[in-house]
This record gives sequence, C-alpha cells and structure tokens, in this order.
Amino acid sequence: QLQLQESGPGLVKPSETLSLTCAVSGGSFSSSNYFWGWIRQPPGKGLEWIGSISYSGTTYYNTSLKSRVTISVDTFKNHFSLKLSSVTAADTALYYCARRIDSSTLKAFDIWGQGTMVTVSS
Amino acid sequence: QPVLTQSSSASASLGSSVKLTCTLSSGHRSYIIAWHQQQPGKAPRYLMKLEGSGSYNKGSGVPDRFSGSSSGADRYLSISNLQSEDEADYYCETWDSNNHAIFGGGTKLTVL
Repeated sequence: QLQLQESGPGLVKPSETLSLTCAVSGGSFSSSNYFWGWIRQPPGKGLEWIGSISYSGTTYYNTSLKSRVTISVDTFKNHFSLKLSSVTAADTALYYCARRIDSSTLKAFDIWGQGTMVTVSS
Repeated sequence: QPVLTQSSSASASLGSSVKLTCTLSSGHRSYIIAWHQQQPGKAPRYLMKLEGSGSYNKGSGVPDRFSGSSSGADRYLSISNLQSEDEADYYCETWDSNNHAIFGGGTKLTVL
C-alpha cells in the first residue's frame, strides 16, 4: 500500500533553512485526486498544517508561514520537498508528510508518514 | 475561515463508551470534517470523514467500535467498548475556502 517516508537533517542552526524530503512509494503519485502536504507538531503540542502541493505543482501555504515556506514536487522521483527559511527555536517540531484527499466532499489527510524530528539549535 | 474547538482532555473506563466533540465556529456548521487518532509516539491515523448530516465513512481498517455523528455545529466521535489502545490524542480537521487545512487543538483521551 502507499507509504510516505520523510528524510532530512535532524538538527538545523538558527537563521538557516530547514530542508526535508518525502518519498512516496507503493501507489500513484500523479493522481489529480490528491495533494501532498506537510504538517508539524511541536513537542507536546497539536498539529499545524504547513502547506500542500499537487503533482502538477499547485501550492497552498499556511498564511502564518507563507513568507518562509517553499514546497516543491518531483514527479520523476515520486517525492516532494519542504524548505523553511530563517528558522528559530519555535520551528523545532516533529515534521510529517502526508497525502491529502482532494475532492469536492472531502479535503483531509488520509495517509501519513512516520514523521521526522527537527531541532533548531546552535 | 472555520475554527475547530475540542476539549483538551477526556477520560473513560476500560470497556465503556466515550463521545468526543469537535465544534465548528459560527457560520460554518455545515462543514464536513475528518477525525484522526494519534497514539503515543506514533503518527496520526485517519479515522473517518463526518458530514453535517451525521453520515460518516471510515478509513481502511478502522474498528467497528468507532462511529461518528453530528448535531448542529458539533461533530462527534464515539468509541464503544474502550480498549487500552484507544488511549490517544484525537484531532478533527477541516478546510477553508482557500483550500487550507485546519486542525482542532486535539483531545487527549485517557482510558482508566
């Protein structure tokens, strides 16, 4: 079945750029029925949506993070990526990638990666 | 845009039933939501889609003990015959007119 796997550095210095990749396997990556997204969870806190992208490159970003976020997709490699610039300690979190159903009657994340912890510290 | 409000915590005894609530903000009572379960140390898991009519569709492999219902702006997740593995955080999710995802703050369920 479809699986998602995050990868990237677990430690990022303040003011630098956080970069993560999500590899998608075991299913269709190029379907127009889905978007692909990033969600984060600071330690002990709830879920925060970061942004989503379609296989064709249409993007939606959380308004509060929009100035620092770039999400891109590589359909040949079946993966999508997150870049978050000018990070601070407040960006320390567990970062999840996930598939998002995109239909007229439901837009929600239905398959999640296992998550990867990113700590911002010098 | 819609706001989803959840109680921070709930508790119920092993083998009993519990009903968790996700409340949509004013003007958004017809919105469809999704429920997710996050067991300790694990990634969230999609449980179901829930409509304002109370109609729900569960994800693959979700036990029959889980069901959904609605009343006005409230969306409910009911769990019967509570098991120890049901102890988890539960989140509701919806979307706004800009296709942005919105999560509730989550409810921590403790099974006594």
